[in-house]
Amino acid sequence: GESVGLHLPTLSVQEGDNSIINCAYSNSASDYFIWYKQESGKGPQFIIDIRSNMDKRQGQRVTVLLNKTVKHLSLQIAATQPGDSAVYFCAENWGRNTPLVFGKGTRLSVIA
Amino acid sequence: NAGVTQTPKFQVLKTGQSMTLQCAQDMNHNSMYWYRQDPGMGLRLIYYSASEGTTDKGEVPNGYNVSRLNKREFSLRLESAAPSQTSVYFCASRRQERNTEAFFGQGTRLTVV
Repeated sequence: GESVGLHLPTLSVQEGDNSIINCAYSNSASDYFIWYKQESGKGPQFIIDIRSNMDKRQGQRVTVLLNKTVKHLSLQIAATQPGDSAVYFCAENWGRNTPLVFGKGTRLSVIA
Repeated sequence: NAGVTQTPKFQVLKTGQSMTLQCAQDMNHNSMYWYRQDPGMGLRLIYYSASEGTTDKGEVPNGYNVSRLNKREFSLRLESAAPSQTSVYFCASRRQERNTEAFFGQGTRLTVV
């Protein structure tokens, strides 16, 4: 699982601090967005999603912000914990019968 | 509830050999997908099946074939493996094609030597 993280942008955060992971999406017609977390050796896991008619959505310790004007998505993690260390992917979807398209990912490293 | 199950988890092939990666989901999802993941490349779509009986090419379909055997199962076949197909392969499923999350299997790590 470690090899899939090579050459990814890396964000290092102190335990307890807030993390912000950014994503620029590609298609102005995209109307649905998801953040996934991938731990070493595992498949991606759903964190939170947002539809294009919203600017912000909150979950447990996570918030997703959507700026359609500049095609930008961000994931905020509050009080980052060692268990948050992983690779994070954004994904976008547009139209009916189209699959999710993934970004290249960001590695989050939490410093204890 | 098993979710999305992939077999095998690991495989080593020689160049030119063939093999089939198996995927099954027990969530009654309509749509299924095969992605490959390479270092620094994120997840790239190989093929997908929007519903039982249909399949479509994704971003990187060359060298692969798929079969949607039934609603539960979606297999990926490499007819003549090449070193460039060394990758981690993920199967995923979704309840419907729009505004729903995809659920992923644990992956198959394939090495072609």
